[in-house]
Amino acid sequence: SAVISQKPSRDICQRGTSLTIQCQVDSQVTMMFWYRQQPGQSLTLIATANQGSEATYESGFVIDKFPISRPNLTFSTLTVSNMSPEDSSIYLCSTRQETYTEAFFGQGTRLTVV
Amino acid sequence: AQSVSQHNHHVILSEAASLELGCNYSYGGTVNLFWYVQYPGQHLQLLLKYFSGDPLVKGIKGFEAEFIKSKFSFNLRKPSVQWSDTAEYFCAVTGNSGGYQKVTFGTGTKLQVIP
Repeated sequence: SAVISQKPSRDICQRGTSLTIQCQVDSQVTMMFWYRQQPGQSLTLIATANQGSEATYESGFVIDKFPISRPNLTFSTLTVSNMSPEDSSIYLCSTRQETYTEAFFGQGTRLTVV
Repeated sequence: AQSVSQHNHHVILSEAASLELGCNYSYGGTVNLFWYVQYPGQHLQLLLKYFSGDPLVKGIKGFEAEFIKSKFSFNLRKPSVQWSDTAEYFCAVTGNSGGYQKVTFGTGTKLQVIP
């Protein structure tokens, strides 16, 4: 199993600014994932972050808007850049070792952009 | 492309009532299936999972789910719900062809149990 600490847990930000969300795992993991959960919608994968390589973004998400860092096997950050009210959502960090295991999640960051 | 449909968006039950939450998936291959639960203010956590073998899987807190391959379904059941089962429930699917496979989630079902 893996315990994931994510911070901040919530924030209210002005439009046009950026917010960096941190994700710390209590063990070394190969893959880390960032999801967005908009009200009434499913968890949507933003990108996959492997240590030592560029993050892989899903359709509809770009690096300029959601830059990701993965400096080591226990830590990752997601930045939401140049925010607009449409970015208001819950952002979740997750990890999963391989296909035959379940995913583990952080508690999420509730972002409100005003 | 894989997808997951959860038909019930919001379910309200009285304590001791039976629960069944629907989940249908679309995927062109062998699958792994999951149900996750998110209690108010807490992390998403695994409720149960199906990888192979017996299609009836049992999870924590008395929950079970049945994988029916012919119907592409993985419905969640509990014979008697408790107030503490109030939470949001997510069905998820991933491929089972080795290596890393993307996880796709349903839109979730909010369950409210009335004492």
